[in-house]
Amino acid sequence: EAGVAQSPRYKIIEKRQSVAFWCNPISGHATLYWYQQILGQGPKLLIQFQNNGVVDDSQLPKDRFSAERLKGVDSTLKIQPAKLEDSAVYLCASSLSGSSYNEQFFGPGTRLTVL
Amino acid sequence: GEDVEQSLFLSVREGDSSVINCTYTDSSSTYLYWYKQEPGAGLQLLTYIFSNMDMKQDQRLTVLLNKKDKHLSLRIADTQTGDSAIYFCAESASGGYQKVTFGTGTKLQVIP
Repeated sequence: EAGVAQSPRYKIIEKRQSVAFWCNPISGHATLYWYQQILGQGPKLLIQFQNNGVVDDSQLPKDRFSAERLKGVDSTLKIQPAKLEDSAVYLCASSLSGSSYNEQFFGPGTRLTVL
Repeated sequence: GEDVEQSLFLSVREGDSSVINCTYTDSSSTYLYWYKQEPGAGLQLLTYIFSNMDMKQDQRLTVLLNKKDKHLSLRIADTQTGDSAIYFCAESASGGYQKVTFGTGTKLQVIP
């Protein structure tokens, strides 16, 4: 079974530029998550999708971050414009369902450096 | 809000046991997890425990839960160099769509 795919693996941009990350979850997984992991910290949930609907985006900085999952499969996360403090690893995860206990499967992440 | 705390670093010798500790604040936590993150990789679920359990054993891994003190530990028996990684404690409540709150992570270094 293929795992969660993410691209690119690494991205370096200057502040105020825009960047987009892509995630393809495990086939059949209804729930998709985007996490931000700052160096030395645990992952912080940015947004959670159930199929193509948003379940939780309470910690997404909506003035600069946006995410979509139009067909309920793959997803993109965009930052526009980027700030220095956005430097982090952006992790995508998926699970069969978001309710009750469900194991989350993580992709390898995209490491973003903002200069 | 929820808070999950861990010590930052643990160093053990190969063959010894490792014990990684975690404390959490949310009394409604139903599921408690241990994830492993190797360099350059995403997180991998190692094991989890329901809040109505005190202990769970899975091969070399033993999870102990003290719900009264909100304390969770992960014991790795016969620690190997391949166990070197960052270990994250996490918790979630039941009902609705679960939100998982992760701790800060404990970096385990295994000395050959």
